Amino acid sequence: DVKVTQSSRYLVKRTGEKVFLECVQDMDHENMFWYRQDPGLGLRLIYFSYDVKMKEKGDIPEGYSVSREKKERFSLILESASTNQTSMYLCASSLWTGPWGTEAFFGQGTRLTVV
Amino acid sequence: KNEVEQSPQNLTAQEGEFITINCSYSVGISALHWLQQHPGGGIVSLFMLSSGKKKHGRLIATINIQEKHSSLHITASHPRDSAVYICAVTGNQFYFGTGTSLTVIP
Repeated sequence: DVKVTQSSRYLVKRTGEKVFLECVQDMDHENMFWYRQDPGLGLRLIYFSYDVKMKEKGDIPEGYSVSREKKERFSLILESASTNQTSMYLCASSLWTGPWGTEAFFGQGTRLTVV
Repeated sequence: KNEVEQSPQNLTAQEGEFITINCSYSVGISALHWLQQHPGGGIVSLFMLSSGKKKHGRLIATINIQEKHSSLHITASHPRDSAVYICAVTGNQFYFGTGTSLTVIP
């Protein structure tokens, strides 16, 4: 069974803290993505990675960084959390079969609140 | 500018009703996806299609490539269908609609 696992469902952090959101997939997928989801704005791409140690900025990378040291794990890092980063964060993975190929599989989401 | 537009944004239906959610897109695509998100956040993929029509149980998805339009139909709706339904297209990247929030009342 396909699985994308995010390390936390709910997280509360203080302003200025460094925050790590972890995502692990067990499907040997090349592509992994981090999105944030906000009411009225839908899903917006923060960063994606198409291979180990490779990363590309998405639409809203400011205030975030990522790490992909192993194929199965893609980490999103908030260097200094701010209240405007309070959001639902979703991780996804997909298999490369062409231009952004096939289905994406999503994690359960992490609802982050920065206070 | 939204590459993917969904309608309606919110929908309330009585149990048993036939439901249609629409999606229009403006970019060239290789595939269109219908996703379902339940309260709590997790997203599951319902359909991926690039032409014609697909059916899974009470769910039917159609796409018209020429008109750049897709519809998701739910027959004999049930309260457990209550969720946010998101249309997404893949071309050079994923583009997502803002979702349709469906509530089915018993």
